[in-house]
Amino acid sequence: GAVVSQHPSWVICKSGTSVKIECRSLDFQATTMFWYRQFPKQSLMLMATSNEGSKATYEQGVEKDKFLINHASLTLSTLTVTSAHPEDSSFYICSAPVTFEAFFGQGTRLTVV
Amino acid sequence: AQSVTQPDIHITVSEGASLELRCNYSYGATPYLFWYVQSPGQGLQLLLKYFSGDTLVQGIKGFEAEFKRSQSSFNLRKPSVHWSDAAEYFCADFSGGYQKVTFGTGTKLQVIP
Repeated sequence: GAVVSQHPSWVICKSGTSVKIECRSLDFQATTMFWYRQFPKQSLMLMATSNEGSKATYEQGVEKDKFLINHASLTLSTLTVTSAHPEDSSFYICSAPVTFEAFFGQGTRLTVV
Repeated sequence: AQSVTQPDIHITVSEGASLELRCNYSYGATPYLFWYVQSPGQGLQLLLKYFSGDTLVQGIKGFEAEFKRSQSSFNLRKPSVHWSDAAEYFCADFSGGYQKVTFGTGTKLQVIP
């Protein structure tokens, strides 16, 4: 199956700094990628849809100025958490659709201290 | 709006015992149902999926699931659980499209010797 690689797997950052998470499709082109967030003991919630060459679409309640998404190529989407705060600590995971299926990255555990 | 319910938050089974994880969906038309497994700190791995046709679906790692329209269920089963199956399992409904994927809240499986 298709492979989606997400980096880093985990990151610890200081409050107020920014963190960039990368999501790559290794063996296919992804014009669309999805970013999810998962809080402890909760399910995955869609944050935004990343579209190659155009602006991302954010779900209701997700601050687009805080969670910057860039989809500059057909194989790379990035999520930057700007001015991170402890409440942004979560598990972030990306996925790319391939013919009625979605392949997920490994996820990134972000801890803001 | 479609919804996915996983009634069991946590399940403990003995190694070698059979397993059934429950999933109920609410979508009126034929749903596109998936089961994913998430090991600690890892991304989601697709176990199996159902679109149409045979209601008993075989997946990887010895898992299977049965779609029952009359019960609005898509339960995941495995005849003999291995210690490596300990993980969190998510049922998901893709019938609303990729931007409207609905995940269940997950069932955490613990396997005891």
